Amino acid sequence: GQQVMQIPQYQHVQEGEDFTTYCNSSTTLSNIQWYKQRPGGHPVFLIQLVKSGEVKKQKRLTFQFGEAKKNSSLHITATQTTDVGTYFCAGPHSGGSNYKLTFGKGTLLTVNP
Amino acid sequence: DTGVSQDPRHKITKRGQNVTFRCDPISEHNRLYWYRQTLGQGPEFLTYFQNEAQLEKSRLLSDRFSAERPKGSFSTLEIQRTEQGDSAMYLCASSLAGPRVPDTQYFGPGTRLTVL
Repeated sequence: GQQVMQIPQYQHVQEGEDFTTYCNSSTTLSNIQWYKQRPGGHPVFLIQLVKSGEVKKQKRLTFQFGEAKKNSSLHITATQTTDVGTYFCAGPHSGGSNYKLTFGKGTLLTVNP
Repeated sequence: DTGVSQDPRHKITKRGQNVTFRCDPISEHNRLYWYRQTLGQGPEFLTYFQNEAQLEKSRLLSDRFSAERPKGSFSTLEIQRTEQGDSAMYLCASSLAGPRVPDTQYFGPGTRLTVL
């Protein structure tokens, strides 16, 4: 079945350092979504990318969708302690059902103040 | 608060007991989803409703699991004869079907189930 893989599984940074997490799908995706889950919290939608090669920015966060629409990345510039949490990418399940998301295992980001 | 709500937030039960969880979606949302999340994993899709119709169920949803959305508003997820492997966070999400495909799914706080 479809697999969505994320690396790294964990990342520990000093406050102010940059952070990147990568997402790879075994199949071409029609779109990819990113979520953030704070410790003890629930996934919160961050962004959706649809177009091949698309780049979107939200303040210090930059999201990219690969040209082949099989990979994506999230880059955070100058991390802050508020960035702590697990970042998940999710893509629609193969088979045409756009509503059913397959999530990666996530990247847990911890930030040392 | 107009977000997705779930009740209870925590449930501890003994193996073999039945449990029922409730989800109240954002009021105008017509789509409702159930996911299960275990430690160190992303949410796994369980089932999906459009209005009151259950349109898809995952293989993860054994015959001990049943979900309903009787009036197209709130939903319940029941687990019969719970097993220790059912221990997980059960997340509900809702979305509004529209021209934007796919919809943005908004998650509730989840119900954490512990089966002893």
